[in-house]
Amino acid sequence: AQSVTQLGSHVSVSEGALVLLRCNYSSSVPPYLFWYVQYPNQGLQLLLKYTSAATLVKGINGFEAEFKKSETSFHLTKPSAHMSDAAEYFCAVSEDGTASKLTFGTGTRLQVTL
Amino acid sequence: DTAVSQTPKYLVTQMGNDKSIKCEQNLGHDTMYWYKQDSKKFLKIMFSYNNKELIINETVPNRFSPKSPDKAHLNLHINSLELGDSAVYFCASSRGIGEYNEQFFGPGTRLTVL
Repeated sequence: AQSVTQLGSHVSVSEGALVLLRCNYSSSVPPYLFWYVQYPNQGLQLLLKYTSAATLVKGINGFEAEFKKSETSFHLTKPSAHMSDAAEYFCAVSEDGTASKLTFGTGTRLQVTL
Repeated sequence: DTAVSQTPKYLVTQMGNDKSIKCEQNLGHDTMYWYKQDSKKFLKIMFSYNNKELIINETVPNRFSPKSPDKAHLNLHINSLELGDSAVYFCASSRGIGEYNEQFFGPGTRLTVL
């Protein structure tokens, strides 16, 4: 069965600092991996996805993530945080790309301070 | 212009009542989903329909019944509401199945059962 673990339910960074949100997955087959962002009182928006092409995936808003099979990780990074990045971030895995069944992590709340 | 819309946005009701949440997408997608997000932000899929046919049905009480009158609509009816049903319910849609397609989420419906 597939699962996702997000280390750190809450991460706080200063504006301009590096953002690193951690995600580790468990999957019996090569997974599809995703990062979604949820702004307050809104639905989820796809940031980026890994579907077995390039291991370094670039997404919207300057975010990127690297798939590391040996570490079963898919950490999300951004070189320089903006205040507007404050939101909840969810990592998700899908073993079965055909049914698009996503299993989400518990989320990481990113706080950006001045 | 809203891609995935849900009504109502907020729903407050008493235990034991029956209520419905409606979802519509104007993206021309074939697949639609219902997710439940609990108070700890944990997001879990409930149902998925492809071309009006149920393809994912997670372990959800029989009190929850999805209905898809056409490809653009997926409604969620809940009978005999319980306190534990309080959550935010998200509708989503994707182009289809066969290969993974991005899921587009609605803004959510916050259900409060008193």
